[in-house]
Amino acid sequence: AQRVTQPEKLLSVFKGAPVELKCNYSYSGSPELFWYVQYSRQRLQLLLRHISRESIKGFTADLNKGETSFHLKKPFAQEEDSAMYYCALSPTNFGNEKLTFGTGTRLTIIP
Amino acid sequence: NAGVTQTPKFQVLKTGQSMTLQCAQDMNHNSMYWYRQDPGMGLRLIYYSASEGTTDKGEVPNGYNVSRLNKREFSLRLESAAPSQTSVYFCASRDRDYGYTFGSGTRLTVV
Repeated sequence: AQRVTQPEKLLSVFKGAPVELKCNYSYSGSPELFWYVQYSRQRLQLLLRHISRESIKGFTADLNKGETSFHLKKPFAQEEDSAMYYCALSPTNFGNEKLTFGTGTRLTIIP
Repeated sequence: NAGVTQTPKFQVLKTGQSMTLQCAQDMNHNSMYWYRQDPGMGLRLIYYSASEGTTDKGEVPNGYNVSRLNKREFSLRLESAAPSQTSVYFCASRDRDYGYTFGSGTRLTVV
């Protein structure tokens, strides 16, 4: 079974401070990891996927297979980063593509 | 390019009523999904369809049925709505290389 854990339901950070949203996963095979962001009452948008190794809106995330983690980081928080963030996992074997989400972390940036 | 379109955006039902949530995608994706989003529980998979003509249960299928009408459309039906089905419902589709695209959601209230 695949499982994603986001230990923090709420996280408040001052503007300009570093941000780290934690994500741990369990899956016996080789997973694909994602971060999705949901701004107030909007649809989920893809922020990052680990295979692309991009930096989007200043956010980065590194897959650590030893610690089974995929933490999301940003060095300097901005007010527009306030949103709900979901970590998600999908198996990489074709035909079993269910995306499993964590329970989400609500990030609030304090001006 | 509309992406994933869901209708309706809002709906209020009385307990015991039935309704169908519609979802259509214009990206020629094979896989489509229905999720529900509840506070503190993240997004949970209700049903998914890996390809036209196939459907499978997700994590929380009870009380729902689905139809993959063709490659574009994937509908979710509540035969006898219950207050526990009050939620925000998201449809998604997936391209194997690009990832998941979500609709804007349907906010359903069952009274």
